[in-house]
Amino acid sequence: DAGITQSPRHKVTETGTPVTLRCHQTENHRYMYWYRQDPGHGLRLIHYSYGVKDTDKGEVSDGYSVSRSKTEDFLLTLESATSSQTSVYFCAISETPDTQYFGPGTRLTVL
Amino acid sequence: EDQVTQSPEALRLQEGESSSLNCSYTVSGLRGLFWYRQDPGKGPEFLFTLYSAGEEKEKERLKATLTKKESFLHITAPKPEDSATYLCAVQARTGNQFYFGTGTSLTVIP
Repeated sequence: DAGITQSPRHKVTETGTPVTLRCHQTENHRYMYWYRQDPGHGLRLIHYSYGVKDTDKGEVSDGYSVSRSKTEDFLLTLESATSSQTSVYFCAISETPDTQYFGPGTRLTVL
Repeated sequence: EDQVTQSPEALRLQEGESSSLNCSYTVSGLRGLFWYRQDPGKGPEFLFTLYSAGEEKEKERLKATLTKKESFLHITAPKPEDSATYLCAVQARTGNQFYFGTGTSLTVIP
């Protein structure tokens, strides 16, 4: 998985609770991305980062925030989780805004 | 609007039976088209990047081709270990976003 780890790998939480997912890379790539994958939908971009403290929104960013204080870490926060945010979340990295390499994923269930 | 459509949704092949997967796209200026393989419970694994019409890339039993409106992933003499979901994505020249299709689920029967 190209030196990418995600934690936790599985999480079950309740509606209204905050949740933070972590992506860690050892490749020193500049770009990092958060996607969600749901049945019937392709992978959809939530947020991405093009450098430390530089982030931008993707097509499904509502209800999510991100932070990147170090090159190697990109955090995704659900401020108040809802059942519609039950999904599999993937982190990806790339050296240029081109080919992306994906992590193993985090399965999140919001009850 | 940038869009990617993959067909068929699912494909069952006998071992050794060659076939092709299709990825049709509309994008306002193509920067790149990408193919990934995804096994159940895992993240997508990068296969190919194509940049311009007429370009082809090969890896083992897989060959990807690109035209101005679509890409094909040709699978020659597939084996059971080729069973997976194959994802296509495009990136426009402006912006950093990828747009993914919903994938083709390939099953190769021994």
